Amino acid sequence: GQNIDQPTEMTATEGAIVQINCTYQTSGFNGLFWYQQHAGEAPTFLSYNVLDGLEEKGRFSSFLSRSKGYSYLLLKELQMKDSASYLCAVGGTTDSWGKLQFGAGTQVVVTP
Amino acid sequence: DARVTQTPRHKVTEMGQEVTMRCQPILGHNTVFWYRQTMMQGLELLAYFRNRAPLDDSGMPKDRFSAEMPDATLATLKIQPSEPRDSAVYFCASGSRNQGWGYTFGSGTRLTVV
Repeated sequence: GQNIDQPTEMTATEGAIVQINCTYQTSGFNGLFWYQQHAGEAPTFLSYNVLDGLEEKGRFSSFLSRSKGYSYLLLKELQMKDSASYLCAVGGTTDSWGKLQFGAGTQVVVTP
Repeated sequence: DARVTQTPRHKVTEMGQEVTMRCQPILGHNTVFWYRQTMMQGLELLAYFRNRAPLDDSGMPKDRFSAEMPDATLATLKIQPSEPRDSAVYFCASGSRNQGWGYTFGSGTRLTVV
């Protein structure tokens, strides 16, 4: 199974940068995923990392270190609409592609 | 944009009643998932299918839950009999490995069992 830890809540001001850390312990691994979920809505896919390193996608970047069981999601130039829950998820083995185990989520609050 | 369609959006039912939730995956996606989300447990995988065949339903209480894909355009999740502890948001998601790693969630069915 997997054990996934991420902070419960983070607060930052508009225009700032926030880094959401995620650590995991897993018996199988096939990628680290980040999803965004606004209150009352469905999760939406943000990014994934399969190999070590940094993946950049606009204002969002995600980093992975498989040896350390560690990932982070970096949100730059924060906007009010970025207030949401950010879910870290670990993918299963190749044979069980898509079997994502989700963390509890980090609630990001962006203040003016 | 292609999307996953779930019905109903909201369901309130009495304990002991049967509940059926439906999902239409995105055309061309061969993998369909059912997740349940609660404040206490977060997002939990209940079951998933690939090419309509069930791959894993170990997260699902077998005595009362059942999941099926009668055809490629329809996935169903049934609870019989329902209990108050089943109150949650049930999400369906679909994806296909050859179309990228991220998969798409439906808007969910908010179930309340009283």
